[in-house]
Amino acid sequence: EPEVTQTPSHQVTQMGQEVILRCVPISNHLYFYWYRQILGQKVEFLVSFYNNEISEKSEIFDDQFSVERPDGSNFTLKIRSTKLEDSAMYFCASSSAGGPSETQYFGPGTRLLVL
Amino acid sequence: GDSVTQMEGPVTLSEEAFLTINCTYTATGYPSLFWYVQYPGEGLQLLLKATKADDKGSNKGFEATYRKETTSFHLEKGSVQVSDSAVYFCALRGGGSNYKLTFGKGTLLTVNP
Repeated sequence: EPEVTQTPSHQVTQMGQEVILRCVPISNHLYFYWYRQILGQKVEFLVSFYNNEISEKSEIFDDQFSVERPDGSNFTLKIRSTKLEDSAMYFCASSSAGGPSETQYFGPGTRLLVL
Repeated sequence: GDSVTQMEGPVTLSEEAFLTINCTYTATGYPSLFWYVQYPGEGLQLLLKATKADDKGSNKGFEATYRKETTSFHLEKGSVQVSDSAVYFCALRGGGSNYKLTFGKGTLLTVNP
């Protein structure tokens, strides 16, 4: 069964450093998403991406964040200058279409720890 | 804006007990409703969904009915197993051009043998 994969599974970085989280969505999917879950809190939407541009973003997704689909398979989230409060589990998701009833398929997550 | 309120956990049950996890929502328009499950060390997996009022989603013995009149989507299972131990998330996705899923806080379920 096709699945979303994410690398790395864990990342530790120093405050102020740049990190890139990588995702390989399901191959025939067209819509891509990033969510995050700070420990003990809700899963929060960050951004959605379709047709090589951001289709929706939350207020969390400020100028420190960017997304890119550098080739036909990868989807990345870059945090330019990490802060302590960026420590969280980051989930990538994809869906085949963008309608409200469409299922979003999630990857296993990358646990980011900022020291 | 959209929001999901989910029964706080943790919930601890014995094997074969009946499970209910309450979920209510606030949304404009006609959202689709989802239950996701997260097993230890894994990502979020779709458990079931319902896309319109009175629809019942079901999977692996779990059921939830989309109740527009009470804005609820409670998760139920008649007889839980140890393997059902996981975190359960209720979520909604609004209509129109709103792409995001809005999640509840999650409910940790532990089933003891």
